[in-house]
Amino acid sequence: KAGVTQTPRYLIKTRGQQVTLSCSPISGHRSVSWYQQTPGQGLQFLFEYFSETQRNKGNFPGRFSGRQFSNSRSEMNVSTLELGDSALYLCASSPWGGNTEAFFGQGTRLTVV
Amino acid sequence: AQSVTQLGSHVSVSEGALVLLRCNYSSSVPPYLFWYVQYPNQGLQLLLKYTTGATLVKGINGFEAEFKKSETSFHLTKPSAHMSDAAEYFCAVSLAPSNFGNEKLTFGTGTRLTIIP
Repeated sequence: KAGVTQTPRYLIKTRGQQVTLSCSPISGHRSVSWYQQTPGQGLQFLFEYFSETQRNKGNFPGRFSGRQFSNSRSEMNVSTLELGDSALYLCASSPWGGNTEAFFGQGTRLTVV
Repeated sequence: AQSVTQLGSHVSVSEGALVLLRCNYSSSVPPYLFWYVQYPNQGLQLLLKYTTGATLVKGINGFEAEFKKSETSFHLTKPSAHMSDAAEYFCAVSLAPSNFGNEKLTFGTGTRLTIIP
């Protein structure tokens, strides 16, 4: 069974640009959660999607958005990039949304210059 | 609100020695507790979890943790450290999932474990 796949693995963007990150969950998993990891703030929850609906949201500005498609693949978008958005973005998938069965992808490392 | 405190951002132990990584949590309701490991440039891998039931939880790679409600602790231990255990370890807490959605994981700040040959 394939694991959680995040693309791309590495990304360099310029301040002010926008970026889209992709997460393909494990087959059969319907919940996808996104986390941001930075040296200063650690791991912080962004949002969770289940069956194409956002069910839970963290404390991030509106520049951070996401969506989920009917095949459970999810994308997150960050608009008007700031230097502080440089981070490792991790997604986790689970069958129904329970953390006890969540599997993380390898992450996308975003660098904003 | 829930929170997690990991004591010691860096821990060094000799190969073969006991590994003890400390985690204390704060939660107004019975928590779910997790330990994850992260290797360089990798995602998070679940080591073990506590939901309900037996308070001593065994995980992968010889790790175990004990849920102590009276001490609000969930410390991670391994009897004998191996070089391959060198990584960063994160303790996390969440509520039980509800009908309204998945409860987010709240992570500690992490403990970097170094193994001395």
